[in-house]
Amino acid sequence: DAKTTQPNSMESNEEEPVHLPCNHSTISGTDYIHWYRQLPSQGPEYVIHGLTSNVNNRMASLAIAEDRKSSTLILHRATLRDAAVYYCILRDPFGNEKLTFGTGTRLTIIP
Amino acid sequence: GAVVSQHPSRVICKSGTSVKIECRSLDFQATTMFWYRQFPKQSLMLMATSNEGSKATYEQGVEKDKFLINHASLTLSTLTVTSAHPEDSSFYICSASPASGGRDTQYFGPGTRLTVL
Repeated sequence: DAKTTQPNSMESNEEEPVHLPCNHSTISGTDYIHWYRQLPSQGPEYVIHGLTSNVNNRMASLAIAEDRKSSTLILHRATLRDAAVYYCILRDPFGNEKLTFGTGTRLTIIP
Repeated sequence: GAVVSQHPSRVICKSGTSVKIECRSLDFQATTMFWYRQFPKQSLMLMATSNEGSKATYEQGVEKDKFLINHASLTLSTLTVTSAHPEDSSFYICSASPASGGRDTQYFGPGTRLTVL
């Protein structure tokens, strides 16, 4: 699986937007970009995924660079409940279903 | 969204005993489930892929005789940690996908925290 690189940690003030970056320079043409997050002492939960176009859902937005070598998860208005470790993962739809978790970004929300 | 449950949520056992952890997909069928292990302050590490009706596929370095996986139905997979030792203490998490294909999301259980004394 292609590798992703994320900052180890980030901080953001409550009620402000948060931009979480992810680099994936070796992404293949068929890899989807998935984001999951893990709140403390819980299993991960799906956030969003995309292929080429930017994506929006009720939780977040995903901005994908034109060359697809990087992407940014955007939380439009962070709350304390968004404090979690965010994982950016590449998945090939024609490969197996395994998810390979990197170290992720630990997001701290400052009240 | 789809719901995956795990039981128990927390277990404490003595060294040498075996512990069974159940993973259930509550509102969908899953031909494939996954088992992860997570040590404190670390990321999730995939242990094995559980396939309904066939043997599990283990990741390199995971002992199949120590971590027994049974996927008896389309909604239930079990992980048994045999002869548990303190170094097996960890957070065990399962996941499942409602349909095949890499684009689909995986739904994770809440995790089981195992403490071996």
